[in-house]
Amino acid sequence: AQSVTQPDIHITVSEGASLELRCNYSYGATPYLFWYVQSPGQGLQLLLKYFSGDTLVQGIKGFEAEFKRSQSSFNLRKPSVHWSDAAEYFCAVGGSARQLTFGSGTQLTVLP
Amino acid sequence: ETGVTQSPTHLIKTRGQQVTLRCSSQSGHNTVSWYQQALGQGPQFIFQYYREEENGRGNFPPRFSGLQFPNYSSELNVNALELDDSALYLCASSSERLNTGELFFGEGSRLTVL
Repeated sequence: AQSVTQPDIHITVSEGASLELRCNYSYGATPYLFWYVQSPGQGLQLLLKYFSGDTLVQGIKGFEAEFKRSQSSFNLRKPSVHWSDAAEYFCAVGGSARQLTFGSGTQLTVLP
Repeated sequence: ETGVTQSPTHLIKTRGQQVTLRCSSQSGHNTVSWYQQALGQGPQFIFQYYREEENGRGNFPPRFSGLQFPNYSSELNVNALELDDSALYLCASSSERLNTGELFFGEGSRLTVL
């Protein structure tokens, strides 16, 4: 069975600092991997996705993620966080891009 | 291009009642998926509809059922509501034809069961 672990329930960073959100997955084959962001009371917005090819993928809002097969990880990074990045972030895995298993999320707080 | 819209946005039901949630998919999308997001949790896959037929189901009991209509809109029905059904229900649409791998989510219907 596929699963996703996001070890950090809550992360606090200062505005302008760098950010890394961790994601580990379990899947029997080459996975499709995603990062979504959810603001309070909102649906989910796709930040980036990995299907194949270059293991470093670029997304919207200046986010990037690196797929490391040997570590079963797909960590999300941003060099400089903005106050508007405060939200909840979900990592997801799927064999089919349209049936996803999500992690339990990481809540990001940004300090001024 | 209109996005995914869901209705109602909020509703309150009591145990044992039935509820119907509605979703209009994004223009051009023919696949609709439903997810349940309990408070403090990630979304959990309920089922997916493609060409008006169920095309995959997560670990949810039969009292969770759905429909997809010829215009690709969809309904989620939950019978015999339980307290644990309280959650945000998210609809997501996608296009098999485009195969971009992206799900487009609505803002959800928040169900409270008392």
